[in-house]
Amino acid sequence: QQQVRQSPQSLTVWEGETAILNCSYEDSTFNYFPWYQQFPGEGPALLISIRSVSDKKEDGRFTIFFNKREKKLSLHITDSQPGDSATYFCAASEGGGSALGRLHFGAGTQLIVIP
Amino acid sequence: DMKVTQMPRYLIKRMGENVLLECGQDMSHETMYWYRQDPGLGLQLIYISYDVDSNSEGDIPKGYRVSRKKREHFSLILDSAKTNQTSVYFCASRGHANSDYTFGSGTRLLVI
Repeated sequence: QQQVRQSPQSLTVWEGETAILNCSYEDSTFNYFPWYQQFPGEGPALLISIRSVSDKKEDGRFTIFFNKREKKLSLHITDSQPGDSATYFCAASEGGGSALGRLHFGAGTQLIVIP
Repeated sequence: DMKVTQMPRYLIKRMGENVLLECGQDMSHETMYWYRQDPGLGLQLIYISYDVDSNSEGDIPKGYRVSRKKREHFSLILDSAKTNQTSVYFCASRGHANSDYTFGSGTRLLVI
């Protein structure tokens, strides 16, 4: 059973637009949600993360919105740039920090930003 | 510079051959992972290692085994490789306190 689901599978936006990537999860015990960014030929790298005690986390142009009741979250990329073109993975786990459990990854959203 | 290094980057093997994928990290991280990545499936966990000689199966361990004899080194072994093991394999590590996963650049394995 897929613990973490992402949509859409692929997303194309114009430069300057806001890209919205969606994620949902099954397990109510999950309380830590990192997003990873992966460029072609590279491994995933942590982009931004949020804990379930918060409903929003912002880092520059990247913002996570979290809805615990609906078990959904989304990553908003404002003023999208061609350099943001990558695959984005939503992940979830119990714990966090030193108690971080194994991460469950979604299948990813491939973002293409057209200049 | 903290990093996870995977060798080789590209590998072509014939069906039935043995395959050894190597992973090293220079951060003294206790926990290491092996994942495979296939289109549309994301990252699937093969094995976790919590420290030297302390390994656990992940979600898809069948056809794989691992070895961790030193904290900084974690190997993935495919005994008698199969064509459906063609994939990109990622190694990751994490330390004990407040750290997320650090991934290597991957090994692209083609089994023909």
